[in-house]
Amino acid sequence: EVQLVESGGDLVQPGGSLRLSCAASGFSFSSFEMHWVRQAPGEGLDWLSYIDLRGSNVNIAVSVRGRFTISRDNAKNSLYLQMNSLRAEDTAIYYCVRESRYCSGGDCPGAFDFWGQGTMVTVSS
Amino acid sequence: QSVVTQPPSASGTPGQRVTISCSGSSSNIGGHTVNWYQQLPGAAPKLLIYNNNRRPSGVPDRFSGSKSGTSASLAISGLQSEDEAVYYCGPWDASLNAWVFGGGTKLTVL
Repeated sequence: EVQLVESGGDLVQPGGSLRLSCAASGFSFSSFEMHWVRQAPGEGLDWLSYIDLRGSNVNIAVSVRGRFTISRDNAKNSLYLQMNSLRAEDTAIYYCVRESRYCSGGDCPGAFDFWGQGTMVTVSS
Repeated sequence: QSVVTQPPSASGTPGQRVTISCSGSSSNIGGHTVNWYQQLPGAAPKLLIYNNNRRPSGVPDRFSGSKSGTSASLAISGLQSEDEAVYYCGPWDASLNAWVFGGGTKLTVL
């Protein structure tokens, strides 16, 4: 059974830092691209970051670029999100998400096929 | 403000067919496939439709997706009470070089 379990969420003061972790199991972690997506209380989904299979290619949303860093450790089946200079507007549930590719006719678009249960980050003084 | 637009709410009675729209542009829906996600109350989102109209294993065939030009739609037939959820469309946006989501449509089963 595919499982993504996030941890590391906490109450942190503005300007502080947090490192989120996601433990993956039930599938070959090193064979899947991964993402972080967040959801502020009562709001919609907000894509944050992407990392490729080896961790050599990343993509970070403009809204958090320069403050958030995504990484992975395939030996530990783990995904990470380092968050610095946190702001009140970063308060949200943070989801670890797996991307699968669905190839058809030479094209391989992706979709977020498994989501963790999320970890809550609260930025407040 | 998202670059893809969904109506904030939709409703229907049990057994009815409802559709949820997702409107975008050539940089997202018009040029890339659309995925749909279902978020039940208090739960994480779940993939409902991928590649515009394909269902993952386990998703009932009551759910269907379509795309035309820069718009996409999710249709739910034979509406059931357990379909009450928020539904999000989510294409790739080539101009933003980012995945984007619509604002979500809250479906109420009356």
